[in-house]
Amino acid sequence: NAGVTQTPKFRVLKTGQSMTLLCAQDMNHEYMYWYRQDPGMGLRLIHYSVGEGTTAKGEVPDGYNVSRLKKQNFLLGLESAAPSQTSVYFCASRSSPGTGDEQYFGPGTRLTVT
Amino acid sequence: AQSVAQPEDQVNVAEGNPLTVKCTYSVSGNPYLFWYVQYPNRGLQFLLKYITGDNLVKGSYGFEAEFNKSQTSFHLKKPSALVSDSALYFCAVRDPLTGGSYIPTFGRGTSLIVHP
Repeated sequence: NAGVTQTPKFRVLKTGQSMTLLCAQDMNHEYMYWYRQDPGMGLRLIHYSVGEGTTAKGEVPDGYNVSRLKKQNFLLGLESAAPSQTSVYFCASRSSPGTGDEQYFGPGTRLTVT
Repeated sequence: AQSVAQPEDQVNVAEGNPLTVKCTYSVSGNPYLFWYVQYPNRGLQFLLKYITGDNLVKGSYGFEAEFNKSQTSFHLKKPSALVSDSALYFCAVRDPLTGGSYIPTFGRGTSLIVHP
């Protein structure tokens, strides 16, 4: 199993450009999450999904959109990138609810917006 | 509401000495508690968790953590630190009584530096 993979690993955008980050998991997990990590801020939840076709806002959703058309994929979109979105983005997944299962994290995408 | 605090931004320890990384939490009921480790330029990796049962939990790489309900703490420990343990450590809490979204709350992270 590859676990959780993220594409791309690095990206540089200019202000106003758009892009989509792809997260894929091969563990048949129901729940998927998008976080951003900034120095001194820890992990902040952007959006999450509790199943195929469902999404919900997290702590810092503004400027981002997500889609979960297939159970194994969770896409994070930036419609008009801003320098404040320079960050490292992590995707995570976990299995069905009602358990104490831990999250599995991808390797991250380092995004710079100039 | 659930919350977690890691009171130390950085912990320094000499190789071979015991290490402790502190974590305190706040939840309405009985917590699910987790420790994760992040090595440079990598994603978070699960170390150990407390769900129920024995208060002393053993995890990967020789780490352990002690759940203390009266002090609402879940400190990460290791008897003998290695230089390779140097990394960023995150504590997380989840309140199993909160809705159906099962979103954990993460601490801000503690940088562990083990000196040779």
